[in-house]
Amino acid sequence: NAGVTQTPKFQVLKTGQSMTLQCAQDMNHEYMSWYRQDPGMGLRLIHYSVGAGITDQGEVPNGYNVSRSTTEDFPLRLLSAAPSQTSVYFCASSYRAGQRNTEAFFGQGTRLTVV
Amino acid sequence: LAKTTQPISMDSYEGQEVNITCSHNNIATNDYITWYQQFPSQGPRFIIQGYKTKVTNEVASLFIPADRKSSTLSLPRVSLSDTAVYYCLVGKTGFQKLVFGTGTRLLVSP
Repeated sequence: NAGVTQTPKFQVLKTGQSMTLQCAQDMNHEYMSWYRQDPGMGLRLIHYSVGAGITDQGEVPNGYNVSRSTTEDFPLRLLSAAPSQTSVYFCASSYRAGQRNTEAFFGQGTRLTVV
Repeated sequence: LAKTTQPISMDSYEGQEVNITCSHNNIATNDYITWYQQFPSQGPRFIIQGYKTKVTNEVASLFIPADRKSSTLSLPRVSLSDTAVYYCLVGKTGFQKLVFGTGTRLLVSP
């Protein structure tokens, strides 16, 4: 049982490049989310999904796309990277509301630098 | 989602009890209070969750007064490894849209 797995752990991009941050969970969780954390700040929600085929925007969605084709995977796409997207990105998953053990489980993060 | 207010930082020594208070004046009737712990270069980790009165698990206790406008996370006998940032969150249990503030940075010294 690996929990929430994020790849890559580190990435350097040039301005304008695109890339996909991968997130996979093996706990059969319905909910999955992406957050970014800037230095000295709390986490901010980018996008979230309540199940396969369903996604919605969070607090800071601009510049990011997501899709949820399976329960296990929730990739985050940066279409045209900008220096303002330099941050640490965390993926999280949890059971749906109303179930026991509804704590969120976080991945180890992807540290992204855009130059 | 209810906004929370916590102290920015706290200092303690090994073996002491640490109490971190969180203010959430606009908490809704069906909101729960959840605390997460984050170590440097790691994702947050769930510590404890409660709705009212007191909740205790193997790592912490959570005290919630009757009006639920605040809560206190209590860490008994802290060690150096408890040095971390602690976040108080308020929302429906199982909510997928967690709202993090800046948290409380706890530094435990020998």
